[in-house]
Amino acid sequence: ILNVEQSPQSLHVQEGDSTNFTCSFPSSNFYALHWYRWETAKSPEALFVMTLNGDEKKKGRISATLNTKEGYSYLYIKGSQPEDSATYLCAFMDSSYKLIFGSGTRLLVRP
Amino acid sequence: KAGVTQTPRYLIKTRGQQVTLSCSPISGHRSVSWYQQTPGQGLQFLFEYFSETQRNKGNFPGRFSGRQFSNSRSEMNVSTLELGDSALYLCASSLVVGQDARKNVEQCFGPGTRLTVT
Repeated sequence: ILNVEQSPQSLHVQEGDSTNFTCSFPSSNFYALHWYRWETAKSPEALFVMTLNGDEKKKGRISATLNTKEGYSYLYIKGSQPEDSATYLCAFMDSSYKLIFGSGTRLLVRP
Repeated sequence: KAGVTQTPRYLIKTRGQQVTLSCSPISGHRSVSWYQQTPGQGLQFLFEYFSETQRNKGNFPGRFSGRQFSNSRSEMNVSTLELGDSALYLCASSLVVGQDARKNVEQCFGPGTRLTVT
């Protein structure tokens, strides 16, 4: 059974703080790693799709890195804003092309 | 461009009944995947359809089935509902061109159908 772990489960930060969370996944048979942001009462929204070891992607204040050899990805948010409050999901894809999601990190940014 | 739509948004059913959920993908997207989310669990993959064929399947019992129509719209059916089937069911579409492109393509999610089984 493939296991995708995310930590921490939840995080409360102050507006302006920078923060990061971790996604751990199997290091074998890696095809891709996805990150999604899921705001309450909305649909999950794609942030990044990463496929190569050492990949770094950035979208505004959010960035992500990927280490496929050791099986982890970090998501960073610089200068958190209240609108960043959401659940951040990572999903691992292997050769079956199925996406296996972690349980998410729930971020709350206090003004 | 219209996003992924799902109907109905909310549904209450009784144990033992069956239910059909519908998903209309983004125009031009031929791949549709279904996911289940229950409290405390991440999104669990149900199945994926592409060009009217089931291309991938998760570890769910045979009570869960689906189909896709020629216009790429998809339906998911759950028969003999159990209390544990109460969940948020999300569908996602993606624009996939070519086998290897499947790993590079993000999923575009709909708003979900909240199913409650009593």
